[in-house]
Amino acid sequence: GQNIDQPTEMTATEGAIVQINCTYQTSGFNGLFWYQQHAGEAPTFLSYNVLDGLEEKGRFSSFLSRSKGYSYLLLKELQMKDSASYLCAVMDSNYQLIWGAGTKLIIKP
Amino acid sequence: IAGITQAPTSQILAAGRRMTLRCTQDMRHNAMYWYRQDLGLGLRLIHYSNTAGTTGKGEVPDGYSVSRANTDDFPLTLASAVPSQTSVYFCASSQGGGGIHEQFFGPGTRLTVL
Repeated sequence: GQNIDQPTEMTATEGAIVQINCTYQTSGFNGLFWYQQHAGEAPTFLSYNVLDGLEEKGRFSSFLSRSKGYSYLLLKELQMKDSASYLCAVMDSNYQLIWGAGTKLIIKP
Repeated sequence: IAGITQAPTSQILAAGRRMTLRCTQDMRHNAMYWYRQDLGLGLRLIHYSNTAGTTGKGEVPDGYSVSRANTDDFPLTLASAVPSQTSVYFCASSQGGGGIHEQFFGPGTRLTVL
């Protein structure tokens, strides 16, 4: 079956760095997406990786290792507004997104 | 309109009633999707449409139907609602066609079936 695993909840301190991991087993692979979802709101797109390596976008970076079925989202210089859930999703061989349950990130002052 | 809109924002529905959730996008995206989001679970795809006039079943299609008469609208119908359909429903769209594109989400509809 298809499976996306990510931690349920993480806590970090304002100004610090946090890494949110995602491991996956899917039928085919056409890329991995990270989305941010604030409580009560819609998911919004953060990043897309299809090749191995690190993609940097301001304070957010995303890493992919296809051979290990592994990705992480790195958030630097954490701000209170980064408190949200972070969703990992893999596009499978049918070009459908398979979603993880999300990681709730709590930022403390 | 800018992006994707959904209606209603929330609804309480008696079991057995019929309900249509509306979704409209103004980005001229080819592909549209309906997901449900339940606590502790990832978003699950109910139905999708790659282009106007075509639809397909996702992971959890039972009890739901969709239509795609034009590019902009993608309504989701619950023919006879059951309590297990209590959820938050998100409509999404993407450019579709060749290449892989991110999905843009509407604000969601919170549905409670009693």
